[in-house]
Amino acid sequence: DAGVIQSPRHEVTEMGQEVTLRCKPISGHDYLFWYRQTMMRGLELLIYFNNNVPIDDSGMPEDRFSAKMPNASFSTLKIQPSEPRDSAVYFCASSLGTAKNNEQFFGPGTRLTVL
Amino acid sequence: GNSVTQMEGPVTLSEEAFLTINCTYTATGYPSLFWYVQYPGEGLQLLLKATKADDKGSNKGFEATYRKETTSFHLEKGSVQVSDSAVYFCALKGDTGGFKTIFGAGTRLFVKA
Repeated sequence: DAGVIQSPRHEVTEMGQEVTLRCKPISGHDYLFWYRQTMMRGLELLIYFNNNVPIDDSGMPEDRFSAKMPNASFSTLKIQPSEPRDSAVYFCASSLGTAKNNEQFFGPGTRLTVL
Repeated sequence: GNSVTQMEGPVTLSEEAFLTINCTYTATGYPSLFWYVQYPGEGLQLLLKATKADDKGSNKGFEATYRKETTSFHLEKGSVQVSDSAVYFCALKGDTGGFKTIFGAGTRLFVKA
């Protein structure tokens, strides 16, 4: 299995530009999670989906952030407009089913730098 | 609500030293407990887990025992290697709070040769 795939691995952009991060979960997994990791705030859950439907987006910091999951094999996290404080590593993770002993599988992350 | 507290880092050890990283939790019911590890430049990956009281999870020489009476899940390894240098996250997944996993703040471990 290829694992969770994220692209791009690195993104450098200027303030005000639109940024789109992409994720392909593990085939067959029905939960998908987007996290943000910074030194100051640690690992934060932004939003998660079940069967392509957003379940909890309470962690999305502002209206500038949006996420979609048009099908079971693809999700995007968009920031528009981007700001320097959005600089972070963004992780996508997926898991199977609702059992509480099921772990999450993380992608390698996208390192975003907003200048 | 559910929460996880783990010891602050960084922890710096010499090779072959004994490692303990403390983790305590607050949760209703009977959560599952996890340790994830993040190597430099990578995403988190599962290191070990325990799903009920007194269970011991183990992997790659690491161990942790689910202690309900002390609400703890401390990570231990008898002899660390330089390759164990990473950030370690304690986490729980409970009966409430949807299907989110609650992660601790992470503890960075440096192992010197």
